[in-house]
Amino acid sequence: GDQVEQSPSALSLHEGTGSALRCNFTTTMRAVQWFQQNSRGSLINLFYLASGTKENGRLKSTFNSKESYSTLHIRDAQLEDSGTYFCAAEANYGNEKITFGAGTKLTIKP
Amino acid sequence: NAGVIQTPRHKVTGKGQEATLWCEPISGHSAVFWYRQTIVQGLEFLTYFRNQAPIDDSGMPKERFSAQMPNQSHSTLKIQSTQPQDSAVYLCASSLDPGGNYAEQFFGPGTRLTVL
Repeated sequence: GDQVEQSPSALSLHEGTGSALRCNFTTTMRAVQWFQQNSRGSLINLFYLASGTKENGRLKSTFNSKESYSTLHIRDAQLEDSGTYFCAAEANYGNEKITFGAGTKLTIKP
Repeated sequence: NAGVIQTPRHKVTGKGQEATLWCEPISGHSAVFWYRQTIVQGLEFLTYFRNQAPIDDSGMPKERFSAQMPNQSHSTLKIQSTQPQDSAVYLCASSLDPGGNYAEQFFGPGTRLTVL
């Protein structure tokens, strides 16, 4: 089946620093979404990309369909950025379901 | 816009009982998706509807799970003879234009099902 490989599985950052999360896809994907799951369990939409790069505040995401990957960059991390981040992708064959990565548990330390 | 609404937020059932979970998609959205989340399996797809028609139920356990969408404003997921392994958070999502330019999925808060 379609595979979404997400890394790292866990990441610890100090406030004010930054890093990148990555998802690799084993099949051609039409679009990718990134979510933050907060402490209450809600999935918060961060980005939806069919191609290219989008930026929102301290977050930036890129989707390269040809090379089958997507990244989420976080800069100037804040305590409220803690949570689990998921990528999810829609395969390019007409079925609109999305397949999730295993998630990255991000911890921001003061 | 209230977002995707799911009820109940929490449900506890005894083994062998039936559980019905409800989802109200965002008004005007044409697709409804069901997923479930467990620690072991992560987030996995169950089934989805487009314009109320079932499109793909490949993620549904065949024996005891069923889903319906009787009208454009709600969908139900029914689990018969619940088992402890059915314990999970069940998430509903909707999208405006699946397969098109507005295919982004928006999720409800989930229903946490606990089977004792």
